[in-house]
This record gives sequence, structure tokens and C-alpha cells, in this order.
Amino acid sequence: DTGVSQDPRHKITKRGQNVTFRCDPISEHNRLYWYRQTLGQGPEFLTYFQNEAQLEKSRLLSDRFSAERPKGSFSTLEIQRTEQGDSAMYLCASSYLAGEETQYFGPGTRLLVL
Amino acid sequence: AQSVTQLGSHVSVSEGALVLLRCNYSSSVPPYLFWYVQYPNQGLQLLLKYTSAATLVKGINGFEAEFKKSETSFHLTKPSAHMSDAAEYFCAVRGGTSGSRLTFGEGTQLTVNP
Repeated sequence: DTGVSQDPRHKITKRGQNVTFRCDPISEHNRLYWYRQTLGQGPEFLTYFQNEAQLEKSRLLSDRFSAERPKGSFSTLEIQRTEQGDSAMYLCASSYLAGEETQYFGPGTRLLVL
Repeated sequence: AQSVTQLGSHVSVSEGALVLLRCNYSSSVPPYLFWYVQYPNQGLQLLLKYTSAATLVKGINGFEAEFKKSETSFHLTKPSAHMSDAAEYFCAVRGGTSGSRLTFGEGTQLTVNP
């Protein structure tokens, strides 16, 4: 059973560019979450999907951010017109909706906006 | 709304000494509580979870935590610290409008001195 994978692991971009991150959840997990973690802070919730439906979005998720999970498997998170404040670690987690529903995290994508 | 407070952003112990990392939560509903560990430049690994069964929860790597409703606490302990325990530890509570998002504390950096 492979864990959650994320690609790329690191991304450096210039302000104003668009970036896209991918997350592959644990197989058969029907829920997928995105979190953002800035230096010295705990992760903050961005959004989550159950199958292909996006069920909740945080106020942190501005109009420049969009997430998709088109076939209920992998997910992408796109940031348009990046800003220096977007520099952070973007974490993906997946879970299976049953019982206590534990979220398992991927290694993260570290974004640096210059 | 749920929230978590981790007392002490940095904790330093000697190898072989007791580890105590403090977590207090606020929740309007019976909580699910989690402790995660994060090593540098990595994602979060689940240490243990409380899901309303036993109040004393045992996790991986010799860690355990006790849920105390009267004190709204879920402190993490380990009888004898090892050098490999040096990492950042996050306490989290599950809640939100759909009951699924994790709300994290700001983390406690554990240093283990030889």
C-alpha cells in the first residue's frame, strides 16, 4: 500500500507566474484534503473533496487558487498570478470516510515565489 | 468552532528523560484529537489518535496521550526520549462545518540533548 504522493516536491517560480501541484491519494481513499503550512506554523486547511465533489473551501482559498479532482482519484491545486505571500509548503492528505476517518499526509510541495 | 493551543513552542529534554508536550483544545462537539510528527522538509506522520474509546491512547515510537475532558487536554508523553524523537509535533482537532477539516496547533519543536 503506497502512501500519498505529491509532485513536484519543490517549486521555485517568479511572482506573477502560474503553478500547478499534483496529489495522488492512497488508493481507495475517497476524501482528499489540501492544507498550507507557512514557516513555523501548523498546517491550515484549504479545501477538500469527497470523490470528485469539492465539499468545503476555506476563506484562505482566494480566487487565484483552484483545486480539482476530476475523476475522484488524483487532485491538482493551481495558483494563478503567484505572489510572494504564497510561498509555503502545500500538503495533501487523504482518508477513507468510515469511522474515525484518519487523514494521512503526503510529503508536501514546497513553493518559493521570488 | 474548534481550536487547539500547544503550550511551549520549544521543548528541550535530555536523552532518556521524560517527554511532555502539552495540548489543550476547544470544541463544541465531542472531539477527535490527533498528534502528528513532522521531520524537516517532510509531511506529517500520525503518532496517535483519540476517537472517544479509551482515554489513554498508545501510539507509535513509544508515545502515548491521555484525553482529559475536564481539563480539555490531550498531552503527549514518552517515558524516555531518544535522539531520533527530535522533530516538530502538532496537535490537531477534527471539526468544521462538515466535521472533517483538521485544525492544528502551532506546533512544538522538540530538541533532545545527548
